[in-house]
Amino acid sequence: DQQVKQNSPSLSVQEGRISILNCDYTNSMFDYFLWYKKYPAEGPTFLISISSIKDKNEDGRFTVFLNKSAKHLSLHIVPSQPGDSAVYFCAASARGGATNKLIFGTGTLLAVQP
Amino acid sequence: KAGVTQTPRYLIKTRGQQVTLSCSPISGHRSVSWYQQTPGQGLQFLFEYFSETQRNKGNFPGRFSGRQFSNSRSEMNVSTLELGDSALYLCASSWGTLTDTQYFGPGTRLTVL
Repeated sequence: DQQVKQNSPSLSVQEGRISILNCDYTNSMFDYFLWYKKYPAEGPTFLISISSIKDKNEDGRFTVFLNKSAKHLSLHIVPSQPGDSAVYFCAASARGGATNKLIFGTGTLLAVQP
Repeated sequence: KAGVTQTPRYLIKTRGQQVTLSCSPISGHRSVSWYQQTPGQGLQFLFEYFSETQRNKGNFPGRFSGRQFSNSRSEMNVSTLELGDSALYLCASSWGTLTDTQYFGPGTRLTVL
């Protein structure tokens, strides 16, 4: 049972445009959400997170939006750069349940074309 | 500050063998979590150790086990290897509170023949 879903396995975007990566979850106990970026042959690198008490968090070119009623979050990258090409994983945890266990989606491969 | 290190980086084993993977967390971090990454399944949580005690466990068979030492280094063991155990095994470390960010190592690529 996939509790965190990334329905788009891949996304291609032109350099300078906006990249929007989507993530859906089913477990209403999740209260903390994160995005990680992964290059080949490296471990995932933390990008940005958001608590369920917020609906938006911004860090430079990266913004995460959370829609709790729809159980949906998205990562916006503006402007997209070729160096952003990587696999992006959405993850969730239920910290109110006294666990920091991360449940990951299956990832979206972002390709930013120069 | 040095990041999370994992050894070995690559490993080839045959069915039925056992394997031990090692993870050294970021200095000062007391929590180590292990994840398995396979194509199509994303990253799946195996277990977490904090102060030498298993604090959380995922839905993996008992063939998968781990431990943590007093210096926070952790090892993961898989016994009686199966072909389906071929995967990238990642460990992540954090300070240990629920609000900490987890930082990942580069992983160990295990191939079971």
